[in-house]
Amino acid sequence: GQQVMQIPQYQHVQEGEDFTTYCNSSTTLSNIQWYKQRPGGHPVFLIQLVKSGEVKKQKRLTFQFGEAKKNSSLHITATQTTDVGTYFCGWAAGNKLTFGGGTRVLVKP
Amino acid sequence: DVKVTQSSRYLVKRTGEKVFLECVQDMDHENMFWYRQDPGLGLRLIYFSYDVKMKEKGDIPEGYSVSREKKERFSLILESASTNQTSMYLCASSPAGDGTDTQYFGPGTRLTVL
Repeated sequence: GQQVMQIPQYQHVQEGEDFTTYCNSSTTLSNIQWYKQRPGGHPVFLIQLVKSGEVKKQKRLTFQFGEAKKNSSLHITATQTTDVGTYFCGWAAGNKLTFGGGTRVLVKP
Repeated sequence: DVKVTQSSRYLVKRTGEKVFLECVQDMDHENMFWYRQDPGLGLRLIYFSYDVKMKEKGDIPEGYSVSREKKERFSLILESASTNQTSMYLCASSPAGDGTDTQYFGPGTRLTVL
């Protein structure tokens, strides 16, 4: 069956540095969505990627969908304390979304 | 803005009690979902609904049931609460479609079962 891994589970980042979180699938994905959950908050939709090789940017966040549509990444440049939270990828599995385990990001000032 | 509200932010119940978690959305969305969130396990789908009086099992439906009598309201029911149902419960909604559209989440209910 389909297996999707989100890595890493935890990420400690020095403020000002870059980091990347990944979602890797064993099978082709029709689309992928990214959500952010601040501490004590609820997941909030960030972006959806649909096309092979698609790259989208939101300020310091860069989202990429692999050419084979089997992996996706979220890259954050010049990390700020406002980037703290858990980032989830979600993908269509049948007629519903399934979410990865999330990457919990902690920022060291 | 889409607003999804949940009846309680925090709830404490005793083992064996019947528990109702309510969710209301104000954007006329067709689809509604219930998830539970546990550390290290991400978001796991309990039940979802595409229409009034319609429901489908998610990945972990055991021990839960749902009710959708009106389009804007989706209730999660724990018939007999157990300690392993202590968790954060998140409701979400999405527009008409196949259930894979963007989801809008409520603030969550942190349920503790003693």
